[in-house]
Amino acid sequence: EVQLVESGGGVVQPGGSLRLSCAASGFTFSTYWMTWVRQAPGKGPEWVANIKKDGSQKYYVDSVRGRFTISRDNAKNSLYLQMNSLRAEDTALYYCARYTGYDFDSWGQGTLVTVSS
Amino acid sequence: QTVVTQEPSFSVSPGGTVTLTCGLSSGSVSSSYNPSWYQQTPGQAPRTLIYNTNTRSSGVPDRFSGSILGNKAALTITGAQADDESDYYCVLYMGSGIWVFGGGTKLTVV
Repeated sequence: EVQLVESGGGVVQPGGSLRLSCAASGFTFSTYWMTWVRQAPGKGPEWVANIKKDGSQKYYVDSVRGRFTISRDNAKNSLYLQMNSLRAEDTALYYCARYTGYDFDSWGQGTLVTVSS
Repeated sequence: QTVVTQEPSFSVSPGGTVTLTCGLSSGSVSSSYNPSWYQQTPGQAPRTLIYNTNTRSSGVPDRFSGSILGNKAALTITGAQADDESDYYCVLYMGSGIWVFGGGTKLTVV
């Protein structure tokens, strides 16, 4: 069974940093692109970033490019999102998801990031 | 910046048929955008209903179907059931590795 478990969320002040992690199991992690999607309270999901199987290609939504960095460690079956210069509008539930090439077919339960002074 | 548009809300009677659409603020949606559809209930992560315009995800009932209608992607629910009451999101591939979710449609079955 595919499992994705996010961690690392919390409350941070504007301008601060957080590193999210996603532990993957139940599939061959290194053979899939992976994705971060976030969902602000009461809003729809927003695609944030994708990373290729070997980490050689990364893509970001405009609003986080230059502030967030997606990375992965295939030896540890783990996905990461380093978030710097956080803003109030980054407050959201952050999901990691597996990307099949067609859809985001498996999701974690999410980790909540709150940016507030 | 291109916005993916969806009806904010829709209502359907039990057993009825409803078509939700997914458009672009500028331009037309075609299969090259690889439209996919997700269903989300409160407190749960989204789950895939349709990908590649019209391919049903594993385990999705055949009352859900996807298509291109005119200049939009469409999700049709035929024979709506009470537990179809959910939020529905389309996602389009914009190229250059970028995906964009629509704002979602809240479907009520009454």
